[in-house]
Amino acid sequence: EAGVAQSPRYKIIEKRQSVAFWCNPISGHATLYWYQQILGQGPKLLIQFQNNGVVDDSQLPKDRFSAERLKGVDSTLKIQPAKLEDSAVYLCASSLDWSSGGTDTQYFGPGTRLTVL
Amino acid sequence: GENVEQHPSTLSVQEGDSAVIKCTYSDSASNYFPWYKQELGKRPQLIIDIRSNVGEKKDQRIAVTLNKTAKHFSLHITETQPEDSAVYFCAASFTFGNEKLTFGTGTRLTIIP
Repeated sequence: EAGVAQSPRYKIIEKRQSVAFWCNPISGHATLYWYQQILGQGPKLLIQFQNNGVVDDSQLPKDRFSAERLKGVDSTLKIQPAKLEDSAVYLCASSLDWSSGGTDTQYFGPGTRLTVL
Repeated sequence: GENVEQHPSTLSVQEGDSAVIKCTYSDSASNYFPWYKQELGKRPQLIIDIRSNVGEKKDQRIAVTLNKTAKHFSLHITETQPEDSAVYFCAASFTFGNEKLTFGTGTRLTIIP
């Protein structure tokens, strides 16, 4: 099956600029996650969607980060304005349906490496 | 919230020897513990996972053990090969919550030929 797709793969911007990342999950996967992975650290969950609804956004810096999944498939994550500390790899992952009981494996996309200058 | 600690941060082993990576978690409600392998510049990939109703799981050269009482779990790789060189992350989640994965800080494993 096709994997999780993300674009762009790399992005360089200056601080205070805005940037958007796109994710297309595995077909049929109801649950979508955005993670931030700072160099040398493990991924940290930013936001989790179940179809087009938000399940958890407790670690999303809402003053500058926003995300949407309008039709329950593709998702975009936006940063506006960017800060130096936002430099990281942004990973999108998807799983079948966490609400169905049991645990479904999370499959990760290749990530978008963001550098803020 | 959940907190996962992972040790060691770096590990070098001779090819053919075994490697062990250990993680501890804080939330006794956590019941799902996956391990991900991440090669340089690539996506994390699940290599093995274990649920709290099982104490050990094995898949060829890879095994994971879980001690619920002590709240720790370990990854064991036997007969290591050069392609095992990567960063390994443990994680924990509560499957009857929103399955939010909390990751450890990673272990950089280097296999010395």
